[in-house]
Amino acid sequence: KNEVEQSPQNLTAQEGEFITINCSYSVGISALHWLQQHPGGGIVSLFMLSSGKKKHGRLIATINIQEKHSSLHITASHPRDSAVYICAVPQGGSEKLVFGKGTKLTVNP
Amino acid sequence: DAGVIQSPRHEVTEMGQEVTLRCKPISGHNSLFWYRQTMMRGLELLIYFNNNVPIDDSGMPEDRFSAKMPNASFSTLKIQPSEPRDSAVYFCASSWDRVDQPQHFGDGTRLSIL
Repeated sequence: KNEVEQSPQNLTAQEGEFITINCSYSVGISALHWLQQHPGGGIVSLFMLSSGKKKHGRLIATINIQEKHSSLHITASHPRDSAVYICAVPQGGSEKLVFGKGTKLTVNP
Repeated sequence: DAGVIQSPRHEVTEMGQEVTLRCKPISGHNSLFWYRQTMMRGLELLIYFNNNVPIDDSGMPEDRFSAKMPNASFSTLKIQPSEPRDSAVYFCASSWDRVDQPQHFGDGTRLSIL
């Protein structure tokens, strides 16, 4: 079974700071998912990546397949970025996802 | 695009009652997932369907839980009888049936069993 570890569990930042959230997994995968869950509870898929880097606005996701590690970066953080960020990887070759415990980010104005 | 639609958004009921949660996936998606989220355990997959057929139900806690997908546009998750420990947020998600496709989540059903 793939084990997914995220760090840190909680992160508090000041508006404008550069944010990094880390995710490590134990078994090789085809793609890794980054999800965002806002205080209201809804879950949104941010990225799915299998190699290299992807960028969407102020969000950047990177993955190192050899090291089984991914990072999610937020540049020029804003209070509206406050949310829980969850990393997920497929279990075996199936569509079944295994989730990290999430990183709760709070960005203060 | 209407997105994944779940109902009800909130449900409060007494233990022992039957609870039915409903989900309408995005049209055209052929995989559907039911998840449960709690503070203690985070997000967990309960069951997923591909082309209306249950593929993996290993996450279903016990016989009190059952899920059906009678057609491509509707699925139910039923708990009978319900217990206080079933209190959680239940999410439904859908996707194309490839591991490299993102899953689209509904807004969830917040279930409280008293």
